[in-house]
Amino acid sequence: AQKVTQAQTEISVVEKEDVTLDCVYETRDTTYYLFWYKQPPSGELVFLIRRNSFDEQNEISGRYSWNFQKSTSSFNFTITASQVVDSAVYFCALSVNYGQNFVFGPGTRLSVLP
Amino acid sequence: EPEVTQTPSHQVTQMGQEVILRCVPISNHLYFYWYRQILGQKVEFLVSFYNNEISEKSEIFDDQFSVERPDGSNFTLKIRSTKLEDSAMYFCASSLTGPPNQPQHFGDGTRLSIL
Repeated sequence: AQKVTQAQTEISVVEKEDVTLDCVYETRDTTYYLFWYKQPPSGELVFLIRRNSFDEQNEISGRYSWNFQKSTSSFNFTITASQVVDSAVYFCALSVNYGQNFVFGPGTRLSVLP
Repeated sequence: EPEVTQTPSHQVTQMGQEVILRCVPISNHLYFYWYRQILGQKVEFLVSFYNNEISEKSEIFDDQFSVERPDGSNFTLKIRSTKLEDSAMYFCASSLTGPPNQPQHFGDGTRLSIL
């Protein structure tokens, strides 16, 4: 069975600080995809990134970066120089081959204080 | 950019009543999904739909639930005889191709409140 763990329930940082959100996943499949979604206070789910299990290259997109390490089954998300608009719940999700759905982690609520 | 749209944004229903949540997936997408998020909790998979039939469903998706694609654009979730514990945000999603590699594009959700 698949499982996603986000051990940090809530994180608070002051604006301009860097923050890393942890994601640890479990699957026996060798082909899988990992995703991060952002859920701002308005409630919608916004796609941030997708990473497949064969590509361990880290990715940077502006202030966002992702560190994928298969050895530790982790797919961590770092926000550099955080801003108040980054305040949201962030979900890590896993999708496996032959599966039809996402398995979401419990989410991490990030509060960026001015 | 194309979006998944859901209506209504908020639905209030008396316990025991039937409710239909509506979704218009992105037009060229072929795979459709419903997820549920109870307030403050994680997003849970309900059902996936492809080629006019359910391709996978979770334990949550029991006989109380049904899905339908009544025409070429809408995708609906029907909940019969609603219960208090059905109160949640319901998200529709769609993807061009099936899992696992496609990001699913989510609608803004319908908040269902059962009284």
